[in-house]
Amino acid sequence: QQQVKQSPQSLIVQKGGISIINCAYENTAFDYFPWYQQFPGKGPALLIAIRPDVSEKKEGRFTISFNKSAKQFSLHIMDSQPGDSATYFCAATSPSGSRLTFGEGTQLTVNP
Amino acid sequence: ETGVTQSPTHLIKTRGQQVTLRCSSQSGHNTVSWYQQALGQGPQFIFQYYREEENGRGNFPPRFSGLQFPNYSSELNVNALELDDSALYLCASSLESGWTEAFFGQGTRLTVV
Repeated sequence: QQQVKQSPQSLIVQKGGISIINCAYENTAFDYFPWYQQFPGKGPALLIAIRPDVSEKKEGRFTISFNKSAKQFSLHIMDSQPGDSATYFCAATSPSGSRLTFGEGTQLTVNP
Repeated sequence: ETGVTQSPTHLIKTRGQQVTLRCSSQSGHNTVSWYQQALGQGPQFIFQYYREEENGRGNFPPRFSGLQFPNYSSELNVNALELDDSALYLCASSLESGWTEAFFGQGTRLTVV
């Protein structure tokens, strides 16, 4: 069964700190790995995404690190802010693009 | 805002009833996917519609069905509601079927009592 496993389930960091969320996948056919941010009562919003032909992608304070051989990828949030407090989901999809397989989510709390 | 709108935002139904949820995709997008998100979990893929045809289905029973209309808006129908159907139902639209970037609506919170 296609799965994406995400950890930790919850994370508390201080303002200005680094938040790190990890994901691992099983299906080697996956070729697109997005991260979504979800606030309470809202739908998931695309944050940043990576393809396996690169090992890192950075957009502002958000960085994805990708390890193809280990089938793992992670999200790093630098200089974390209270406004970053939300639930983060990693996801993966195959070349057909017909479905996103999501991780279980990480509830991030950034204390002021 | 993504331009994907869902209605209604909240709904309460009784076990055994039927429900229809609606989604208007982002302008120019011809592909709509539906997801079920139980409380505290990640979204689970229900099915996708591309140009009015079902284009992939997740592990959901046949009582979950859908439609896509010529304007690419979509409906999710659930028959014989069960208590476990209580969840946030999300609609996502994308430019094409193989297009990986998906934009989600705010969801419909369904409560089955």
